Formats: sequence, C-alpha cells, structure tokens
Amino acid sequence: DTAVSQTPKYLVTQMGNDKSIKCEQNLGHDTMYWYKQDSKKFLKIMFSYNNKELIINETVPNRFSPKSPDKAHLNLHINSLELGDSAVYFCASSLAAGTSFTGELFFGEGSRLTVL
Amino acid sequence: AQSVAQPEDQVNVAEGNPLTVKCTYSVSGNPYLFWYVQYPNRGLQFLLKYITGDNLVKGSYGFEAEFNKSQTSFHLKKPSALVSDSALYFCAVRDGTDKLIFGTGTRLQVFP
Repeated sequence: DTAVSQTPKYLVTQMGNDKSIKCEQNLGHDTMYWYKQDSKKFLKIMFSYNNKELIINETVPNRFSPKSPDKAHLNLHINSLELGDSAVYFCASSLAAGTSFTGELFFGEGSRLTVL
Repeated sequence: AQSVAQPEDQVNVAEGNPLTVKCTYSVSGNPYLFWYVQYPNRGLQFLLKYITGDNLVKGSYGFEAEFNKSQTSFHLKKPSALVSDSALYFCAVRDGTDKLIFGTGTRLQVFP
C-alpha cells in the first residue's frame, strides 16, 4: 500500500496546454504539500494545505492552482503550460502543521512533467 | 530567512570507508535540521532530524549526523559506506512553522 501516491508518473505535453496532477495519501495526515524539483535537483516548496485549507502559497505563477477536496487529496492544476514548467513535481504529507509540525515529510514518487 | 548550504555537489567514497556529507546552516533562533535521501526516480525519504538534545543524532540505515553549534554545521556521517548508499542527499531546515527549506543536494557515490 503506497503511502503517498501521485498520478500520472510521467506527463508529456505541448506548450499552452492545461494539465493536472493528482495526489492521495493514506497516512491519515492533516497536511499536504507540492514541491517542484528542477533539472538541477533543486527542491522548492510551492503550496501547502492543512485540513483542506491553504496555509503556504509561495511565489508561484497563478497558472498553478492547487485544490484539496479533502485532507487525503491534493491536486495540482497547471494552465497554459510553459517550457519552464518542465520539472518533477512531488507531493508530500506530514502529520500536522503549525507548532505541531515535526519536519518529517512523506513524499510521493514524483510526477515528471515535460513541456515541449 | 533560514537556509542551509551543501558545499559539495558530489562525494565519492570506497565501500567500507567512512563517509561524510557536509551541511552548514544559517538560522535565527534554534535550528531544526533534517537529512533526507533521494534514490533514483524516487521521492525523498526522511533520514534523521535534530531538534534539541544530544549533538549526535542517529537515523535510518546506519546514518548519523553531528550538530555543531559553533561551526553552524550538521554533517551526515556513516562509519562504513555501502554501494547501496549511493543516492542524492539533502540537508533541510525548518523555516517558520510549516516549511522545510532544502539545500541543493549532494550526490554520494560509493564505489565497490
């Protein structure tokens, strides 16, 4: 049973298209994240949700829109894809947020997005 | 803002030898420091953390890390490297209450 699962694992698309990546966690965690890893392996946080509420929104173009229908799911929709959006997108979860945040994140296996 | 630096892009070590992967930090207040490992085509996995207490922290897969306040370092160590330890290692620091800021990563290559 995969703890944090993302779909699709690979995504190849043309510039200008819209795409979504889905994430689900079965750990019972309250908090979920999206991280972006670029071609140099640099990892940067994009968004965080705690119990369906947005708590972290880094400087990300508004073409990126996260949605959390419930605390076990966090999806990422990207509009008008650009070449620079090519990256590996990681979903992660943690038990809690705020003062209870332990720093222990559980990551999915990543979704590799290639924009042509 | 909190930050960590990993000065080495790659560390090469022979199997059976001790290994060290370096990390230095810059924080205001008490540091909350972490090490994660990423195997090829996988997500990151938590290895260990320092919050408070003993300066030597033990983690998964035989790894440990030494917190050094005077040198603002948190180096990852293992007494005897395995080929299977070859992976990308990330140091991280907690920023505020809910974020981890990751370093640029160090690729560890263990040769048989």
